[in-house]
Amino acid sequence: GDSVTQMEGPVTLSEEAFLTINCTYTATGYPSLFWYVQYPGEGLQLLLKATKADDKGSNKGFEATYRKETTSFHLEKGSVQVSDSAVYFCALSGGSNYKLTFGKGTLLTVNP
Amino acid sequence: DGGITQSPKYLFRKEGQNVTLSCEQNLNHDAMYWYRQDPGQGLRLIYYSQIVNDFQKGDIAEGYSVSREKKESFPLTVTSAQKNPTAFYLCASRPGTRETGELFFGEGSRLTVL
Repeated sequence: GDSVTQMEGPVTLSEEAFLTINCTYTATGYPSLFWYVQYPGEGLQLLLKATKADDKGSNKGFEATYRKETTSFHLEKGSVQVSDSAVYFCALSGGSNYKLTFGKGTLLTVNP
Repeated sequence: DGGITQSPKYLFRKEGQNVTLSCEQNLNHDAMYWYRQDPGQGLRLIYYSQIVNDFQKGDIAEGYSVSREKKESFPLTVTSAQKNPTAFYLCASRPGTRETGELFFGEGSRLTVL
């Protein structure tokens, strides 16, 4: 079945540091790929998405590129802020029912 | 504003009691989902429904039940058969079947069994 593996946290960075959170997937066919963010005590918000190979999703300074050859969708940001502190989930959508399969999440803490 | 409303936000239950979590959406989305979130385990799918009066089990349906009598509503009942119900429950919805698969989430309900 489909699966998502993302780097385990927690990740702690200083403000303005470079961020990478790795995500790899296993799926049949051509899934859509997503990054969601969850702030404390809240639901998930879509951060960015890519629907086909070589697509780059971007939002709020975050980027991720759909790499079919390496089955990866790594999340990057050039300069993190304290307000980026949250849990980040990588997910894929495949099959006729479009249910999402999630990774286990990565807790990011950014210190001033 | 359109969105997904989950209630209650916090709920406490004694062992042996059933409890129902509400999920309402005014986005006119066809599909709705329930996920369970536990620390370090990510999100796991409990049930989903693609149309009214139809729903399917997800990966961890045992001890849960749902109904989909109206398009906008998808309540989840956590029964006494659920062995470890303490968790954060998230409801989500999605537009029609031809979309890219993005889900829209509610704010979640935290259930604690005393």
